[in-house]
Amino acid sequence: AQKITQTQPGMFVQEKEAVTLDCTYDTSDQSYGLFWYKQPSSGEMIFLIYQGSYDEQNATEGRYSLNFQKARKSANLVISASQLGDSAMYFCAMREEIYGQNFVFGPGTRLSVLP
Amino acid sequence: DGGITQSPKYLFRKEGQNVTLSCEQNLNHDAMYWYRQDPGQGLRLIYYSQIVNDFQKGDIAEGYSVSREKKESFPLTVTSAQKNPTAFYLCASSRTGLSTDTQYFGPGTRLTVL
Repeated sequence: AQKITQTQPGMFVQEKEAVTLDCTYDTSDQSYGLFWYKQPSSGEMIFLIYQGSYDEQNATEGRYSLNFQKARKSANLVISASQLGDSAMYFCAMREEIYGQNFVFGPGTRLSVLP
Repeated sequence: DGGITQSPKYLFRKEGQNVTLSCEQNLNHDAMYWYRQDPGQGLRLIYYSQIVNDFQKGDIAEGYSVSREKKESFPLTVTSAQKNPTAFYLCASSRTGLSTDTQYFGPGTRLTVL
């Protein structure tokens, strides 16, 4: 079974608008971490934001915020005020406590920001 | 500057040859990882190492080998036993293996088999 699901293969957003990228996960662990990475065309994976399973507040990092709904097992990434440079692949990943050494990545969402 | 370096950026291999991809980090991280990414796909774990002189197989270890003789270095060898090695290879490291620790990635090596 897929541990990380990203149901949007591709998304378009107008520059300066907000966009939400979906991520749902599957785990039986109580302690886990959720991560979002950005991969531009150059290929490098850039860490964006982290949410711990015990964190009560949604994580925020600049224009990025994570909409964490634990009961629904979802960890959606919200990008506010989109910029052309935000066009990239975005990956949701999870790290479980029991298998803490292993990140599991979703298939990714390709975001295209339109001028 | 602290970070992870991978070399070479592009690598071409003839069938039947072994090649070694370099990964070095100066972040003083204990854990290091190798991932493979195929076009349009997510990342799949090849090998990981939590500590010097110890490493574990990931999901797709067949045809690959690693060593961890130094904390800073985690080279990956793609052997001739790997039947379809053309892919993008990413190295990562994290401070520890805890679920709270972020993995940071190098710039990647693109391997093409001729």
